[in-house]
Amino acid sequence: GDSVTQMEGPVTLSEEAFLTINCTYTATGYPSLFWYVQYPGEGLQLLLKATKADDKGSNKGFEATYRKETTSFHLEKGSVQVSDSAVYFCALMKKSGANNLFFGTGTRLTVIP
Amino acid sequence: DSGVTQTPKHLITATGQRVTLRCSPRSGDLSVYWYQQSLDQGLQFLIQYYNGEERAKGNILERFSAQQFPDLHSELNLSSLELGDSALYFCASSVDQGHYEQYFGPGTRLTVT
Repeated sequence: GDSVTQMEGPVTLSEEAFLTINCTYTATGYPSLFWYVQYPGEGLQLLLKATKADDKGSNKGFEATYRKETTSFHLEKGSVQVSDSAVYFCALMKKSGANNLFFGTGTRLTVIP
Repeated sequence: DSGVTQTPKHLITATGQRVTLRCSPRSGDLSVYWYQQSLDQGLQFLIQYYNGEERAKGNILERFSAQQFPDLHSELNLSSLELGDSALYFCASSVDQGHYEQYFGPGTRLTVT
């Protein structure tokens, strides 16, 4: 079945460090891929997305590239800030049939000053 | 602020009881999704409604049901509650029933004692 496997957390980084959170997926066809972020006490916010192979999604300094050959969509940021502390979820949505989101388990990021 | 509202924010109830969670989608959005976030199951899709009709079902228990009203707000009914039903319940909305971005509400935290 369709699924998303995400890097286990928690991840703790110092401010200005480089961030990578790994995400791989299993799906029939070519789904759309998403990263959502959940700040403490809040709902999920869409961070970025990519709808086809080799697309790069980017927002607020975060980037992720849709890699069909490795079925991956790793999240990266060159220099994290304390305000980036949150839980990050990788997700997929199939392009046909039911269009619900399949989520990974989430990765908690803590950035320390 | 995503424009999706959910009430109540918190709910504490006893085993065997029944509760109703409410969601108002973004203005103009016709599709509503319900997701459950729990420690053991992660974030999983429960059910989708589009313009008043059920469109897709995920891992929703038979004790749970939902509906979408003519004004497009939706309610998720949980009955015969068990301790394991304690979770964050999110509602999301999208403009249509196809492959569109989903906007999440802040969630309702349900605690069953």
